[in-house]
Amino acid sequence: GIQVEQSPPDLILQEGANSTLRCNFSDSVNNLQWFHQNPWGQLINLFYIPSGTKQNGRLSATTVATERYSLLYISSSQTTDSGVYFCAVGTYKYIFGTGTRLKVLA
Amino acid sequence: DSGVTQTPKHLITATGQRVTLRCSPRSGDLSVYWYQQSLDQGLQFLIQYYNGEERAKGNILERFSAQQFPDLHSELNLSSLELGDSALYFCASSLGLGRLVPGTGELFFGEGSRLTVL
Repeated sequence: GIQVEQSPPDLILQEGANSTLRCNFSDSVNNLQWFHQNPWGQLINLFYIPSGTKQNGRLSATTVATERYSLLYISSSQTTDSGVYFCAVGTYKYIFGTGTRLKVLA
Repeated sequence: DSGVTQTPKHLITATGQRVTLRCSPRSGDLSVYWYQQSLDQGLQFLIQYYNGEERAKGNILERFSAQQFPDLHSELNLSSLELGDSALYFCASSLGLGRLVPGTGELFFGEGSRLTVL
């Protein structure tokens, strides 16, 4: 099956800093999404991005499908960005990576 | 609000018991997925249905079963519960499978059902 690796596993930032999260996957896929799981456990859709680049406010994402990786950029981080960021990929079912746990300090 | 509704939100039960978790997908979505998230773990894919038919199976235990009904809602049945079954169970839905029609595979998650087995 598809393998999904995320890095780094943990990240601590000062408020206002920028960060890049990476997702590598082992096979070609039709679907790729980034999610934020907040401290209350809710899974928030960030991007549906099987290829290309998208931006939404302080967040942007790029997927290079031919090289099997995706990047999530967080700029000017805020304490509310804390939580776990998951990448999920698949053709008709989604496999989740193990996530990047982000903590933003005030 | 993603439009995916899960009930109950919280459930506490004893070992050996059986519970049913319910999921109503977003209006128009044909595919339903179930995931299990144990404490501080990632999301494990359990099972997927598309328009009433099982399409993919993951690491779902034999004690667990699921189905998708004609009105497209889905139920996950967990029986002979063990302490290790305590977890957050998520349901997600998508319009389609994202293979033939790009973009139809985007997942939307419900808020989850938190199961505690004592």
